[in-house]
Parts: sequence; C-alpha cells; structure tokens
Amino acid sequence: SYVLTQPPSVSVAPGQTARITCGGNDIGSKSVHWYQQKPGQAPVLVVYDDTVRPSGIPERISGSKSGNTATLTISRVEAGVEADYYCQVWDSSTDDSWVFGGGTKLTVL
Amino acid sequence: QVQLVESGGGVVQPGRSLRLSCAASGFTFYSYGMHWVRQAPGKGLEWVAVTSYDGSNKYYADSVKGRFTISRDNSRNTLYLQMTSLRSEDTAVYYCATQVVVIATQDAFDLWGQGTMVTVSS
Repeated sequence: SYVLTQPPSVSVAPGQTARITCGGNDIGSKSVHWYQQKPGQAPVLVVYDDTVRPSGIPERISGSKSGNTATLTISRVEAGVEADYYCQVWDSSTDDSWVFGGGTKLTVL
Repeated sequence: QVQLVESGGGVVQPGRSLRLSCAASGFTFYSYGMHWVRQAPGKGLEWVAVTSYDGSNKYYADSVKGRFTISRDNSRNTLYLQMTSLRSEDTAVYYCATQVVVIATQDAFDLWGQGTMVTVSS
C-alpha cells in the first residue's frame, strides 16, 4: 500500500516560517491535499491539488511540490496555526484508496 | 447550511456489530461520493471507505475489508457504515467526509462531520 511520510513534529518561533514536508513514491504524479486539525475538532482542508487554497484560507498558508516531496509552508507563524497537519493523496495503484500521511504536530514556541 | 452530522457511536464489545449514520443537509447529497475516515485516540487520520454518488462503486481500506460495509440512502440523504466483527483496534472517532465546494483533481475532503466515537471494549 502507498505510504506518505511526514515528520512527527515541527517547531517554529512566532513570526517565522514553518515548512512541513510530505514524501511519497512518485508523489509528483499525484495531487496532494493538506488538512489542519486542532484538538477536538474535525480536520479542515487548507490546500488542495498541491497549491490551491480553498476560499477563506489565508495567503500565508501555501503548498508546493518538487520531486518526491510536497511541502506545506506557513509564513508569519502565530499561535493560531498551532495544530496537526496531514497530507493526503488518492492512490489508484491497486484498488482505489485515499491515503493520509502520519501527521505533523506544529508547535509555536 | 451545508453540514454532515454523524450518529450511532458508542461502546461495544469485541466481535459485536454497530451501525453509524451520517445525515447530510444543505447540498445535493445524491450528486457526491461519500467517505468514512477514522482517527484512533491520539493517532492520525485513516481513510476507511468510499461510496460513489449512486452507491454502485465502493472501496475499503484493507484494515476493514470484509468486516465493514458502506452504504447510502439518497432518499434520506444519509450515509451508513455497518461495522461487524469489531476489534479493539477499531476504537476511533469516525468522520464522514466529502468534496462539495472545491473542484479538486482527485477527491479532497472540504466538508467533514463532527465525528462520532466508537469504543470497542469488553
């Protein structure tokens, strides 16, 4: 089965830039989506199709992809973005399946 | 108001069955594929199952294949997850989710319910 690899944690000081990576075999051929989840809440889609922000998501949250790694970048970090972040793709290699990365806990120092 | 509301969770003994429901409102339910996603306590998200808009196609994660059945009733705007032969590792919050607003190349979940907790314990 397809595997997406994320770092378990990322820490950043307020005002700095956080980068959360998501690696997977041939991820360049897949559309990567990103979710933000705060404690006790359902996930929220923050980026889809690698780089597109849904309506209402601030511009300081952005997505990119290069080679076998997708990256979620959060600029000018503040306490309100402290959350778990998950990448996700659709894998059609066997039966259709939707795969999540293991998640990254973003801590604002 | 566009929303999904899950129900049916609770405490169940290993080996028993449980059926979850997800009531949809505010959008044309019959037009959209629907998913179940779960999250064990303190763990990450795990995709569980999907049904196409008309129920004709269904796919499952290997961890639940043969034990869980996803279904829908478009006349009632409701999605279901029938869970049988439950195991302790099925303990999780179960979310229904779908893509209704964004137009992603491959399904992105832009609408989630609040989740319903299932605890499998003797």
